[in-house]
Parts: sequence; C-alpha cells; structure tokens
Amino acid sequence: AQSVSQHNHHVILSEAASLELGCNYSYGGTVNLFWYVQYPGQHLQLLLKYFSGDPLVKGIKGFEAEFIKSKFSFNLRKPSVQWSDTAEYFCAVNSDGGSQGNLIFGKGTKLSVKP
Amino acid sequence: EPEVTQTPSHQVTQMGQEVILRCVPISNHLYFYWYRQILGQKVEFLVSFYNNEISEKSEIFDDQFSVERPDGSNFTLKIRSTKLEDSAMYFCASSRQGPVNEQFFGPGTRLTVL
Repeated sequence: AQSVSQHNHHVILSEAASLELGCNYSYGGTVNLFWYVQYPGQHLQLLLKYFSGDPLVKGIKGFEAEFIKSKFSFNLRKPSVQWSDTAEYFCAVNSDGGSQGNLIFGKGTKLSVKP
Repeated sequence: EPEVTQTPSHQVTQMGQEVILRCVPISNHLYFYWYRQILGQKVEFLVSFYNNEISEKSEIFDDQFSVERPDGSNFTLKIRSTKLEDSAMYFCASSRQGPVNEQFFGPGTRLTVL
C-alpha cells in the first residue's frame, strides 16, 4: 500500500532561515507528487506538483521541491522563509495506475516562523 | 477565482443521528473527492466520484457512508448513523481531470459527534 512519511512534526525557524521539509513515499509504480499548504484558518492549497520531466520543480511563493526517485523522496525547500510562511505543510502522492487520483497524505509538518 | 465551498462549517450531532455534509465543487470540474482528518492524524481519502458514480473508496468508507450528486452542482456526503469516531474535519475536493490535475479543496466541515 502507498504511504507518505513526513519526518518533522513541528519546525521552528527565524525569518530568513532556509527551510527543508522531508517527505518520503512508499510505492513501486509511477507516482505524482504534491505539496499542499494550509495557512491558519484557510483551506488546503497547492504549493507545487511533480508529474514528470525536470525533477526540480518550482512552486508558488518561492518554494521548490526535488524528486529523487532512488530515495523515494520529494523534499520541500525555500532559501529564505518569511513570517507569512507559518502554516502546515502536507506532502501527498497519487498514482496513475488506474486510480482516479485519490491522494495519500503525510501527517503534515507545522512550520512556525519567528519574526 | 472559483473555489470549492462546503456547508456547514461546523456540525454538532448526537451519536446515531444522520448527517449530510454539503459541497459545491468548481463548476467545470469532473472529479470529486471526500477526505477526512481526525484531530492530530493524517488527511485520509474516503471516496472519489466521477461520471455520477463512485470510482474508488477506502476501507473507511463503509455502509454507513454514501455520496450523491443530486442536482449537478452539489456533492454530498451522508453518514447514516454517526459514531463518536466519525468526529473529524471533512474536506471536499474537486479536479478538472484525474490523477495529474490539482485537486482544489474546500474549507472543510468540522463534525463533532457527542
């Protein structure tokens, strides 16, 4: 069965620090990978996605993620965080293999950025 | 910008009662989903719906659950006889096409079963 692991439960950073949130998935076939963000009081929204091609994908608000197939990883990065990046971040995966795209989510990582 | 809406934002019910959670997906989307998140746990897939029928469902989606698209705009999740463990945040999502498309999520309905 597919699963997604996010190793950091809560990350606290100061503004301008660099961010890397880990995500590993377990699935043998072709996967599509996503990072969603949930700002306080708001709904889940897509930060970035990877389907194929360049394994380094760029998303909104300066975020990027790198797909490393050999490590089954899709880590999220941002070189310099801002206070407004305080949110919960969810890694998710689905597969093309006959499914309608239902997402398997990680547990989420709460990011707190201190001003 | 079009968005997925959900009503109510918070529903409190007694154990054993039926609840209906409502969602209005984005109008030109074809795939619809329900997910839930029990407090402190992962967002979990419940069911996907396409072409007026269930495409996939998880183990969680047992006979107590049903979905319907009654009028071409609403997409509902019914829980026939709620249990305490059904207390969770329920998210509706929609996408224009299948797996490779972004799913747009609604704000969620917090269901509290007493």
